[in-house]
Amino acid sequence: AQKITQTQPGMFVQEKEAVTLDCTYDTSDQSYGLFWYKQPSSGEMIFLIYQGSYDEQNATEGRYSLNFQKARKSANLVISASQLGDSAMYFCAMREAQDGTASKLTFGTGTRLQVTL
Amino acid sequence: DSGVTQTPKHLITATGQRVTLRCSPRSGDLSVYWYQQSLDQGLQFLIQYYNGEERAKGNILERFSAQQFPDLHSELNLSSLELGDSALYFCASSVAPAGVADTQYFGPGTRLTVL
Repeated sequence: AQKITQTQPGMFVQEKEAVTLDCTYDTSDQSYGLFWYKQPSSGEMIFLIYQGSYDEQNATEGRYSLNFQKARKSANLVISASQLGDSAMYFCAMREAQDGTASKLTFGTGTRLQVTL
Repeated sequence: DSGVTQTPKHLITATGQRVTLRCSPRSGDLSVYWYQQSLDQGLQFLIQYYNGEERAKGNILERFSAQQFPDLHSELNLSSLELGDSALYFCASSVAPAGVADTQYFGPGTRLTVL
């Protein structure tokens, strides 16, 4: 089974609207971290937001918030008031403790977001 | 700007050749990670170093090797290059050796093209 599933290969949103990018994950660990990264067309990977498995509150960072539903194993990214500069590829990733080293990030396949006027 | 630097930005070489990719972590970060991003495999973890020691290995080929130097910069060596090694190679760094909350910050990547 895929560890991280992003079912939306591409999404469109109008400027100033909110958009939700879906992410579901699969782990048997109790302790894990969920991360979202943004990859613009220039190629760099930009960290956006983190949610820990034990966090009771949903994470927020400016216009980014994470809709964390632990029982459903979903960690959807919500971008409010979309801007043209939000057009990019978005990756959901997980860091688990069960591999002993808790080292690697496991990434989903990404969602390409296009913000339109 | 994440504070992680990678050189070169682009690299074009031929099959069978050897290349070295360089990474400098953020100030204060002791962990360095290498990832490969390709169209068919997506983003894959290759290897991690912490304070000069190898800490974890992922899907790294035997033709690939890495090291972390006393000044904490890291190099990824790719040898006997094949067409399929063409990819974007990222270096990331973090403070801790492990931990689910430890955020990895990525460099701008090195785009390797093997002809």
